Amino acid sequence: EPEVTQTPSHQVTQMGQEVILRCVPISNHLYFYWYRQILGQKVEFLVSFYNNEISEKSEIFDDQFSVERPDGSNFTLKIRSTKLEDSAMYFCASSELGRGSYNEQFFGPGTRLTVL
Amino acid sequence: QQPVQSPQAVILREGEDAVINCSSSKALYSVHWYRQKHGEAPVFLMILLKGGEQKGHEKISASFNEKKQQSSLYLTASQLSYSGTYFCGTAPDGDMRFGAGTRLTVKP
Repeated sequence: EPEVTQTPSHQVTQMGQEVILRCVPISNHLYFYWYRQILGQKVEFLVSFYNNEISEKSEIFDDQFSVERPDGSNFTLKIRSTKLEDSAMYFCASSELGRGSYNEQFFGPGTRLTVL
Repeated sequence: QQPVQSPQAVILREGEDAVINCSSSKALYSVHWYRQKHGEAPVFLMILLKGGEQKGHEKISASFNEKKQQSSLYLTASQLSYSGTYFCGTAPDGDMRFGAGTRLTVKP
């Protein structure tokens, strides 16, 4: 069964450093998403991506964040200058069609980001 | 714009039933339900669409009241494997927003 994969599973970084989180969505999916979940809290939407551009972003997704689809398979989230409060689990998801409203989103296993 | 879930937590004995509620202040066209086990990614359970179409999980059912902008997830004859945090997700303006979650614990 196809699945979303994410690397690394755990990333530890120093405050102020840049990190890139990587995701490989399901191959025939067209819509991609990043979410984050601070420990013990709810899943929060960051950004959605379609047709090589951002479809929608939340208030959390400020200028420190960027997303890219550098090739036909990878989908990346970059945090330019990490802050302590960026520590969280980051989930990538993809869906076949639509903007999430009518379609199941498949989540990857997540990358745990720890900012020291 | 995120949906509101209730209750925040439920503790059940195996075989008991539970209802988890989700409500929104905005008009809804669909409601998604996901379950997340500790340390794992959310897993899709069910989607309810305006007009009554439902895709879902064989042992878990749900309702969607469009007028009241509410959905309820029904877990009957709960099993130990049902333990986890249940999130409803809505997309009133396009992209998904999740509720704060309901932590369900099923004990033997």
